[in-house]
Amino acid sequence: GQNIDQPTEMTATEGAIVQINCTYQTSGFNGLFWYQQHAGEAPTFLSYNVLDGLEEKGRFSSFLSRSKGYSYLLLKELQMKDSASYLCAVSFLNYGGSQGNLIFGKGTKLSVKP
Amino acid sequence: DTEVTQTPKHLVMGMTNKKSLKCEQHMGHRAMYWYKQKAKKPPELMFVYSYEKLSINESVPSRFSPECPNSSLLNLHLHALQPEDSALYLCASSQILGKDGYTFGSGTRLTVV
Repeated sequence: GQNIDQPTEMTATEGAIVQINCTYQTSGFNGLFWYQQHAGEAPTFLSYNVLDGLEEKGRFSSFLSRSKGYSYLLLKELQMKDSASYLCAVSFLNYGGSQGNLIFGKGTKLSVKP
Repeated sequence: DTEVTQTPKHLVMGMTNKKSLKCEQHMGHRAMYWYKQKAKKPPELMFVYSYEKLSINESVPSRFSPECPNSSLLNLHLHALQPEDSALYLCASSQILGKDGYTFGSGTRLTVV
C-alpha cells in the first residue's frame, strides 16, 4: 500500500524560513510533488522531484531522498500569503508500470504570523 | 492551453436529483482523474481514466458514475446522493505516466440537501 506522512500543523513568523517534512512508503515510485492549497481552492503545483537532490524555485525549494523515502519543502522569506495547507503527493506506477497515479498526504496547515 | 476547466463551480442538489459535473482539458493528456475533497482533508482519488478507459475505481459508490466521452472530456454523473457526499470535486489530468505533473481544475463545490 501507499503511506504518506507529514505534520498536521506548523506555525512560523513572517520573514522566517520553514521546512515541511514528508515521509512516504510506496511501491513503484514515480515522483513526488508539493502542492499549495488555500482554503476552498484547488491545489496549485509548487514543485516536482523524481531524482535525489534539491530543486529550487525562487522562495521555494524541495528536496528528495529516495533511499530514505523522505522529502521536504523549504519556504524562505515567509509572507502572510503563504498561510495555506501544503500537500505532499506521491506519484506511483500502477498496473505493472503502465499507469501513473497521484496520492496525497494529509497536508500541513502552515500559519504565518506577523 | 494549459488549463483544466470544470463546470459548474458550485452546485446545490437534492437527494433525488440527477446532475453531472464536467471537466475539459486540451493539453493532450491521456490520463484524467476525479478526486473528492472534504473540508480540512486531502483530496481522495475516486476514478482514473487512461486512454478514455476506466482504469481505477477506488471503491466509489455506484451513485457516482464517471464517463469519458473523448480524450478531452471527463464527466461525473451524480444520482441519489447523500448529504455526506457534499464536498469539493476536483478533476485533474496528466500524461499517462504522470512524469510531467498533474494539472488540477478549480473544482466544483457540491452541496447535497
